[in-house]
Amino acid sequence: KAGVTQTPRYLIKTRGQQVTLSCSPISGHRSVSWYQQTPGQGLQFLFEYFSETQRNKGNFPGRFSGRQFSNSRSEMNVSTLELGDSALYLCASSLTSESGTQYFGPGTRLLVL
Amino acid sequence: AQKITQTQPGMFVQEKEAVTLDCTYDTSDPSYGLFWYKQPSSGEMIFLIYQGSYDQQNATEGRYSLNFQKARKSANLVISASQLGDSAMYFCAMREGGSQGNLIFGKGTKLSVKP
Repeated sequence: KAGVTQTPRYLIKTRGQQVTLSCSPISGHRSVSWYQQTPGQGLQFLFEYFSETQRNKGNFPGRFSGRQFSNSRSEMNVSTLELGDSALYLCASSLTSESGTQYFGPGTRLLVL
Repeated sequence: AQKITQTQPGMFVQEKEAVTLDCTYDTSDPSYGLFWYKQPSSGEMIFLIYQGSYDQQNATEGRYSLNFQKARKSANLVISASQLGDSAMYFCAMREGGSQGNLIFGKGTKLSVKP
């Protein structure tokens, strides 16, 4: 079974731009969660989607948004990029929201200049 | 207060020896799950082992075992017979009951295996 895939793997943007990251979960998994990883803050939860609905959201500004499609693929969008948004963005999928192991993708490394 | 505490920023272990990575957690929820992930320099988080709060026995997965001491709220990862490929960051994480998708991570321990 194929694992979680994320595209693109690397991205360079400038301040003020917006970016869209994509995540395809493991086949059959309906829950997709997004995390931001930075050296200073560590791993922080962004949001979780299940059956196209956002079920949970972390403490991030409204510039961070996401969505999930009927095939469970998910996208996250960051508008008006700031230097502090430079991070590794990890996506994880699991069978359900409340239980089950989360399996992570390789991540997207975003650099904001 | 931190919900997941990993007190060892870095650890060294000799190849073929066993090593224990510490993790303590804080929750008032009776239902929770504890996870360990490995993150090599490539960045991908690799799932290693899971322990549920109601599990009676300590979890084991190959060379990985979890020393679960519920009363002390600790969930230490034991890696037996360390290999050079075990060099990586190791993260302990918790999901509280009913929490949708939200894994709470510790700050990690960098393990270096010496030949």
